[in-house]
Amino acid sequence: EVQLVESGGGLVQPGGSLRLSCSASGFTFSGYAMHWVRQAPGKGLEYVSAINFDGQSKYYADSVKGRFTVSRDNSKTTLYLQMTSVRAEDTAVYYCVKDNGTYWDAFDIWGQGTMVTVSS
Amino acid sequence: EIVLTQSPATLSLSPGERATLSCRASQSVGIYLAWYQQQPGQAPRLLIFDASNRATGIPARFSGNGSETDFTLTISSLEPEDFAVYYCQQRSNWFTFGQGTRLEIK
Repeated sequence: EVQLVESGGGLVQPGGSLRLSCSASGFTFSGYAMHWVRQAPGKGLEYVSAINFDGQSKYYADSVKGRFTVSRDNSKTTLYLQMTSVRAEDTAVYYCVKDNGTYWDAFDIWGQGTMVTVSS
Repeated sequence: EIVLTQSPATLSLSPGERATLSCRASQSVGIYLAWYQQQPGQAPRLLIFDASNRATGIPARFSGNGSETDFTLTISSLEPEDFAVYYCQQRSNWFTFGQGTRLEIK
């Protein structure tokens, strides 16, 4: 069974840092691009970041550029999102998402999400 | 950035009726548009990719149409489990989502 399990969410103070992880199983992780998508409470979906299959190509939404870093460890089948200088507006459920291709295709598998709350 | 505008914001229909949801792009996205369904408290699920292709396991009552800037998602006969929020998303120029359409029971 294809599965994505996020972890690392929690309460963080404004200006602080947090690292999210996404453990993948049930598919050849190294063969697919991956993404992070977030959803603020009661709001719609917002795209955050992408990384291609081998980690050589990355993309960030303007809202997180320079503050968030996406990475992956194909040997551990794990995706990461390093969040720094967090702001109140970063409060959201963060979803780890599998791409249907090596670079950019449809988002075919979603994790259940991990909640990040930025508050003092 | 490509902006996707979904309409209507809320659609009120009864089970058995036909639903038509719209997504308009601020510039051409070709056929690189997908639709997702999100139930309350759950992660989104891929319904349609590349404008008109149903994802694995998606019932035939869901269909997608369109190209360039205008797209529709049609649910031919609503089942109780179809009442949810629907999002369109483009991958032509990086990625953006529409603001969503809430499909509610009338």
